[in-house]
Amino acid sequence: GAVVSQHPSRVICKSGTSVKIECRSLDFQATTMFWYRQFPKQSLMLMATSNEGSKATYEQGVEKDKFLINHASLTLSTLTVTSAHPEDSSFYICSARDYLGINSPLHFGNGTRLTVT
Amino acid sequence: SQQGEEDPQALSIQEGENATMNCSYKTSINNLQWYRQNSGRGLVHLILIRSNEREKHSGRLRVTLDTSKKSSSLLITASRAADTASYFCATDEGGGNKLTFGTGTQLKVEL
Repeated sequence: GAVVSQHPSRVICKSGTSVKIECRSLDFQATTMFWYRQFPKQSLMLMATSNEGSKATYEQGVEKDKFLINHASLTLSTLTVTSAHPEDSSFYICSARDYLGINSPLHFGNGTRLTVT
Repeated sequence: SQQGEEDPQALSIQEGENATMNCSYKTSINNLQWYRQNSGRGLVHLILIRSNEREKHSGRLRVTLDTSKKSSSLLITASRAADTASYFCATDEGGGNKLTFGTGTQLKVEL
């Protein structure tokens, strides 16, 4: 089945530094990937839609300069949290579909637990 | 985007019992999907039901969809301790290619 690999699984960084999270589709090509954020015991909130070869589409309230998304190839999207602050601490999850179409499921990475100290 | 609501928020049952969780959404949809999330992990797709379908089965899972009430239910029969997880419904009601997730139900199945 379709596999999405996300790395790293955990990261601890100091306030003010930047952190890059990678999301790879291992056995399929993903023209679109989705980045979600999840707080403890809460649901997933869509942050942005990452489009291969073009700019990401950010959801309302998400700072595009804070959360930089790059989708340079059909199998890799990256999310960079710039100048991280403690309030950015969260669980970040990427996902992708292995084929186009609204009636298709999302395949998720295992998430990245970010802790900003 | 608005999230759907799920109830109950938390459910604790004994192994072997059935678990039912419900999901409501706000606008028209093309399909509704259910996902499972083990603690600290990504989500796993369980089942998708299209807007023109009323019921769907997959193994011990049974999903219903009532578009007139904008609601869906997920039934897990003969539950096992390994079913302990959070369960989320998701719809395309945000439009386009993206999914909007419900608030989730935390299921605990005790031995």
